[in-house]
Amino acid sequence: GQSLEQPSEVTAVEGAIVQINCTYQTSGFYGLSWYQQHDGGAPTFLSYNALDGLEETGRFSSFLSRSDSYGYLLLQELQMKDSASYFCATSRDGQNFVFGPGTRLSVLP
Amino acid sequence: DAGVIQSPRHEVTEMGQEVTLRCKPISGHDYLFWYRQTMMRGLELLIYFNNNVPIDDSGMPEDRFSAKMPNASFSTLKIQPSEPRDSAVYFCASSARVQGSYYGYTFGSGTRLTVV
Repeated sequence: GQSLEQPSEVTAVEGAIVQINCTYQTSGFYGLSWYQQHDGGAPTFLSYNALDGLEETGRFSSFLSRSDSYGYLLLQELQMKDSASYFCATSRDGQNFVFGPGTRLSVLP
Repeated sequence: DAGVIQSPRHEVTEMGQEVTLRCKPISGHDYLFWYRQTMMRGLELLIYFNNNVPIDDSGMPEDRFSAKMPNASFSTLKIQPSEPRDSAVYFCASSARVQGSYYGYTFGSGTRLTVV
């Protein structure tokens, strides 16, 4: 099976940098994805790492270490609109993803 | 493209009634997923299709749940009979690989189901 762990809550101030960690256990691994979900909204895709290393997309970066079964999402220059829940998700086949429990990020002024 | 379209946005029904949720995936996407989200259980995969064929329905809670995808542009998730514990937000999502690159799921806006 697959299981993922994330911190339940993270709080940071506007303009700061925050890192949301994700550890996973899976019998097969194809990649790690990150999604953002605002309250009352749908999850939206942020990033995907299939290989080790850092992927950067604007203010957001995602890192993967397959040997450590670990990844993180890095959010820079935090804005109030970044307050949301963030989910990591893993796949064994590259299409069917299992989602983690989510991390609720609160950005304070 | 209008994205993944789900209907209805909200559904309130009485216990024992049949509920049908609908989804139109993004044109050209060959994978379609049905997820359920609750505070207690998070995002759970119920079933997914590839090229209209069900691939994995191991997440469907019980026989009261059924899903179909009669063509590439339409899918339904049916609950019959509905129970209060089915109350949740149901999301449909679609995805595709473009020249081997993966661009993630596109989720619909969800259907908030309340069974009273």
